[in-house]
Amino acid sequence: GIQVEQSPPDLILQEGANSTLRCNFSDSVNNLQWFHQNPWGQLINLFYIPSGTKQNGRLSATTVATERYSLLYISSSQTTDSGVYFCAVEGGNTGKLIFGQGTTLQVKP
Amino acid sequence: DAGVTQSPTHLIKTRGQHVTLRCSPISGHKSVSWYQQVLGQGPQFIFQYYEKEERGRGNFPDRFSARQFPNYSSELNVNALLLGDSALYLCASTRGDSGNTIYFGEGSWLTVV
Repeated sequence: GIQVEQSPPDLILQEGANSTLRCNFSDSVNNLQWFHQNPWGQLINLFYIPSGTKQNGRLSATTVATERYSLLYISSSQTTDSGVYFCAVEGGNTGKLIFGQGTTLQVKP
Repeated sequence: DAGVTQSPTHLIKTRGQHVTLRCSPISGHKSVSWYQQVLGQGPQFIFQYYEKEERGRGNFPDRFSARQFPNYSSELNVNALLLGDSALYLCASTRGDSGNTIYFGEGSWLTVV
C-alpha cells in the first residue's frame, strides 16, 4: 500500500515565525488533504490539494504530484496554530485515506 | 448546513462489552467512513460505506462491523471490547465514493477498562 511520511515529527516555533511541513508519498494519488487536529481531537480540513498550489490566509500548500510530495506553509504563526498537522492521501479510487504520522507543532508566545 | 455529527462524544465501557457509535454525514453526502485513532498515531481506516454498501474494509478483526442506513447515517459496532480498542473513533463523510474532499466529525472517545 501507499506509504506516507511527514517531516519534521516535531516543531517548536516562536510566535510570528514561518514554517514548512513536508509530506512524501510513495505512489500516485487522486486525493491529498492536509488536516489540523485540535486539542479536542477534531480533524479540521485545511486543504484538498492532489496537485497544484492553494492559499488560505496565512496557510498555503503545494503538491508536486509527479515528484510525490506536498508542502504546507504556515506564515506568521500564532499560538492557535499549535496542534498536530496530518497529511493524508487516497490512491486508486479506494475512498480510503492513508495518514502520515503527523507533525506536532508548538507555537510559543 | 451542519457538519458531520457523531455520538456519543465520550464513553467508558468494560472489557467484553459491546459498543455502538453513530454518525450523521453532511447533508448531500452519500459516503461515510470510519477511522480509529490511538494516542500518538494517525487515524487508521476501518470501513467505508457508499450508497449503503460496504466499499472498503481496513485491517480490523471481525469484532468490528458497520452499516449505513437509507438516510446515509451510519453505525459502527464493536463486540467483545478489548483494552486496546480504547481510541478516538472518527467518522468522515464525502459526496462520492472517491477523489472528493473528506470531512471529519469531532469523534467519539472510547475508553475500555
